[in-house]
Amino acid sequence: IAGITQAPTSQILAAGRRMTLRCTQDMRHNAMYWYRQDLGLGLRLIHYSNTAGTTGKGEVPDGYSVSRANTDDFPLTLASAVPSQTSVYFCASSVGAGAAYNEQFFGPGTRLTVL
Amino acid sequence: GQNIDQPTEMTATEGAIVQINCTYQTSGFNGLFWYQQHAGEAPTFLSYNVLDGLEEKGRFSSFLSRSKGYSYLLLKELQMKDSASYLCAVRDRVDSNYQLIWGAGTKLIIKP
Repeated sequence: IAGITQAPTSQILAAGRRMTLRCTQDMRHNAMYWYRQDLGLGLRLIHYSNTAGTTGKGEVPDGYSVSRANTDDFPLTLASAVPSQTSVYFCASSVGAGAAYNEQFFGPGTRLTVL
Repeated sequence: GQNIDQPTEMTATEGAIVQINCTYQTSGFNGLFWYQQHAGEAPTFLSYNVLDGLEEKGRFSSFLSRSKGYSYLLLKELQMKDSASYLCAVRDRVDSNYQLIWGAGTKLIIKP
């Protein structure tokens, strides 16, 4: 693989179900991010990880959890899905999270529908 | 607070020039990014400005004025494939971290 992969590509989920969105990068980037993108709104940060073993809350963390057991993987879990979590979810990574120039690279996205 | 504003939609003609503006209000500015996003795809990096002035990269240029909280993306010799959304994002200091704050994007429609 090259870059960032996400799985699944799309998913329809019943409300109340648990769901994990997967994200893997092979660029050895330290920082990883989860965003949601909704029509008419900018990308909103859900959770981030500056380095393996650490995570932090973004702008809209409620209802979501993440883990960062290693450098490559950064799964996002919805413990009990609700219809307002219907969105397109993008995983991204960057070399680091510091103040220097820091382009983020994005995965192809997961389109999630919660009914 | 933090705020990023850009026009919702713009239309331009193939071969022409278009300027997409972005204004921002942040507390700990540390750089501005422009990304391109085709429908149904992921955002891809176009440009980065941290100092005032113009950065040119082929048909695309990006300008920054930190004192005015203003940037623009200039696209020259427009091609049909330039039809996409253009996202402005500002790196801002949030707590002890730097995060990207994103505008809602400008949908650019190119007509023949």
